[in-house]
Amino acid sequence: AQSVTQLGSHVSVSEGALVLLRCNYSSSVPPYLFWYVQYPNQGLQLLLKYTSAATLVKGINGFEAEFKKSETSFHLTKPSAHMSDAAEYFCAVSGPWGATNKLIFGTGTLLAVQP
Amino acid sequence: DSGVTQTPKHLITATGQRVTLRCSPRSGDLSVYWYQQSLDQGLQFLIQYYNGEERAKGNILERFSAQQFPDLHSELNLSSLELGDSALYFCASSVESAGNTIYFGEGSWLTVV
Repeated sequence: AQSVTQLGSHVSVSEGALVLLRCNYSSSVPPYLFWYVQYPNQGLQLLLKYTSAATLVKGINGFEAEFKKSETSFHLTKPSAHMSDAAEYFCAVSGPWGATNKLIFGTGTLLAVQP
Repeated sequence: DSGVTQTPKHLITATGQRVTLRCSPRSGDLSVYWYQQSLDQGLQFLIQYYNGEERAKGNILERFSAQQFPDLHSELNLSSLELGDSALYFCASSVESAGNTIYFGEGSWLTVV
């Protein structure tokens, strides 16, 4: 079954430090991979997505992710954390699986940014 | 603003009651998805409709049902509510094509007391 695993439910970094949020996927076919961000009391916002066009994907707010098939990974990075990056981040995978393109989410990583 | 509108934003109701959550998808999107977010279960896919027809079913309880109307808005009906149904319910919409972005609404917070 297709799934994603996010390592680390809580990650804390200092402002200005590198952000690295880990995501590994399990899929029997080339997947579509997504990172969403959820700010407190808000909905889910797409950060970036991988749809096989390029392995290094750039998203909004300075985030990027690299698709590594050999490692079945799609880790999210940002060179320098800002206080405004504090949020919960979700990795997700979609099909198509049969007739649906539904998203299957990981358990999320809560990012704290310390001043 | 994702373009997906959900009402109500907050709802408090008693156990055993029934509520209806409403969703208007982005203009032009034929697919509507419902997700439940809770502390213990995370983000769980409930159900998907495409142009009025059920397309996929996930971890949706028998007490819950959904439909999509001809104008493409959707409703999620939750009945015989239990304390454990307290959660944030998201609606999302997309053009139904592989790899397309799924856009989420702000969610409906349901508290069952």
